Amino acid sequence: KAGVTQTPRYLIKTRGQQVTLSCSPISGHRSVSWYQQTPGQGLQFLFEYFSETQRNKGNFPGRFSGRQFSNSRSEMNVSTLELGDSALYLCASSATGAYSGANVLTFGAGSRLTVL
Amino acid sequence: QQPVQSPQAVILREGEDAVINCSSSKALYSVHWYRQKHGEAPVFLMILLKGGEQKGHDKISASFNEKKQQSSLYLTASQLSYSGTYFCGTEQGSNYKLTFGKGTLLTVNP
Repeated sequence: KAGVTQTPRYLIKTRGQQVTLSCSPISGHRSVSWYQQTPGQGLQFLFEYFSETQRNKGNFPGRFSGRQFSNSRSEMNVSTLELGDSALYLCASSATGAYSGANVLTFGAGSRLTVL
Repeated sequence: QQPVQSPQAVILREGEDAVINCSSSKALYSVHWYRQKHGEAPVFLMILLKGGEQKGHDKISASFNEKKQQSSLYLTASQLSYSGTYFCGTEQGSNYKLTFGKGTLLTVNP
């Protein structure tokens, strides 16, 4: 069973540019969550999608957006990049997003974004 | 509300025990524990649901005190492979959102 796949794994951008990151969840998983990981801050929740609908979002500016497609694949976009956006962006999938002993988050390896 | 983890870092020798704590000021619906090794994705360890359950996996176990909104992860007879950063994730109500703490860096030396 393939895991959560994120692309690209590494990317370098300059301030003011925009970036799109992609996430393919585990087959059959319909919930996709995105997290930003920076040193010392842990994992900060960005948003969660299920059946193409955003059900929850974290405290990030509107420059951060996402979407989910009918095949459950998800993308997140960051516009007008700032130096502080440099981070590891992690995507995680679960069957439904309603967590239980049988339904937990499985993370991808992440996309490491560097903003110069 | 981000849960608070303690300690921030701990260094052990193989065979020693450790406890990592996670506390929240909000009522919790569930607590999840993950371990992330350097350069890798966080990996699920266990979930504790409302009800004060104590779960175990091999020599790693955890408890959830609902009244205190606290969870503890117990690592017994640590192995080199236990090294990594441990995160607790908390859920406040069934809202499809896990809020993670800042992590606890565990280093196990020979």
